[in-house]
Amino acid sequence: NAGVMQNPRHLVRRRGQEARLRCSPMKGHSHVYWYRQLPEEGLKFMVYLQKENIIDESGMPKERFSAEFPKEGPSILRIQQVVRGDSAAYFCASSSKDREFLNTQYFGPGTRLTVL
Amino acid sequence: QQQVKQSPQSLIVQKGGISIINCAYENTAFDYFPWYQQFPGKGPALLIAIRPDVSEKKEGRFTISFNKSAKQFSLHIMDSQPGDSATYFCAATHTGTASKLTFGTGTRLQVTL
Repeated sequence: NAGVMQNPRHLVRRRGQEARLRCSPMKGHSHVYWYRQLPEEGLKFMVYLQKENIIDESGMPKERFSAEFPKEGPSILRIQQVVRGDSAAYFCASSSKDREFLNTQYFGPGTRLTVL
Repeated sequence: QQQVKQSPQSLIVQKGGISIINCAYENTAFDYFPWYQQFPGKGPALLIAIRPDVSEKKEGRFTISFNKSAKQFSLHIMDSQPGDSATYFCAATHTGTASKLTFGTGTRLQVTL
């Protein structure tokens, strides 16, 4: 399966702990996006990364949240000192660098974070 | 303003009927408009997309109609089936550079027998 992979699929954390979400883009894709979906709401953009670069982080909360996409390995979304309001589904999407398909984003199955 | 407004919030259609979901946008720089289908517990799946150089695009039972002057676009699902029951999201972005998608708030579609 060459689709976008995310793990874990479900993550439970207690308030104050760290959450680390991983995303492997589709084969051949070098652009990664993270979105957050609160219950009964649409998806909100968080951050856009290319290998070793953050391109747009305008949707990221200023504190506690960080993202990276290293040269090797998956993209990581890190949430430090989680609070109950961080409970949501976090989706990763990827797209190709080919200009024709640059804006076609394919989504992974998501990580559902629950903060107790 | 980067908003995309979507309506209705929920929709019930009988099997065989036509489902229509509408979206409106404000940012005239948007020039790529995809629709996503999401089943409970799953990630959004790309359904169909349109660029503003055409007024309509059809793929199987799914059609996008686009009105550039009104800054509106809509999804029509012909011959709706129970398997189409899902949440549908419209989105918009600016092509030319890889860019974030701005999503509508979603429409929960239920197709009844």
